Amino acid sequence: QSVLTQPPSASGTPGQRVTISCSGSTSNIGSHTVDWYQQLPGAAPKLLIFSNNQRPSGVPDRFSGSKSGTSASLAISGLQSEDEADYYCSTRDDSLNGVVFGGGTKLIVL
Amino acid sequence: QLQLQESGPGLVKPSETLSLTCTVSGGSISGNDYYWAWIRQPPGKGLEWIGQMSHIKNAYSNPSLKSRITISVDTSKNQFSLQLSSVTAADTAIYYCARRAGSSSSRWFDPWGQGTLVTVSS
Repeated sequence: QSVLTQPPSASGTPGQRVTISCSGSTSNIGSHTVDWYQQLPGAAPKLLIFSNNQRPSGVPDRFSGSKSGTSASLAISGLQSEDEADYYCSTRDDSLNGVVFGGGTKLIVL
Repeated sequence: QLQLQESGPGLVKPSETLSLTCTVSGGSISGNDYYWAWIRQPPGKGLEWIGQMSHIKNAYSNPSLKSRITISVDTSKNQFSLQLSSVTAADTAIYYCARRAGSSSSRWFDPWGQGTLVTVSS
């Protein structure tokens, strides 16, 4: 049972816009910035979004992040087949005095 | 650019200690306000933060693993290490090392090592 709640799966067709939610509490998302990681099949996770809505160099602007209260979202527009991956949200948690991850969302491109 | 590489035994016996090292290249492990972290992923499951340490030895670890974890940083070798004692089959996972970048107000894991699979079995 993860501290941060994500839907187990999401899907969309090429070109569509999909969103992945990440729900937490006042001790984590409500108090700290959120990051998102993309894990392609068989690969290590890669930073996709940091500080709620910032994209590292090289990440397409099709990927965007937002945060409101105790929830965060990752949006992917213009969905492409290569976006099929697992996506994880992460933040600090004051109750645990550490870092927590969501359970992950498997994105399927139909 | 900064690269991280995990190394260590791929097979550990139950009740023994798992030991992994992460070698940092393309940059120094010293300086800046960074932490050096370990994260694991059981086969087919999600990510779990294990712990992290700065080069000045400030350390944080997952409360569920705290009693079994030792994380150390060797600035002379540009490496950091993880020891996890009294392992069981539940500790079988891909172990990743990563830099905890950013600053006190906002941090993130970047970059990550490629990961190393550690299996606990007799």
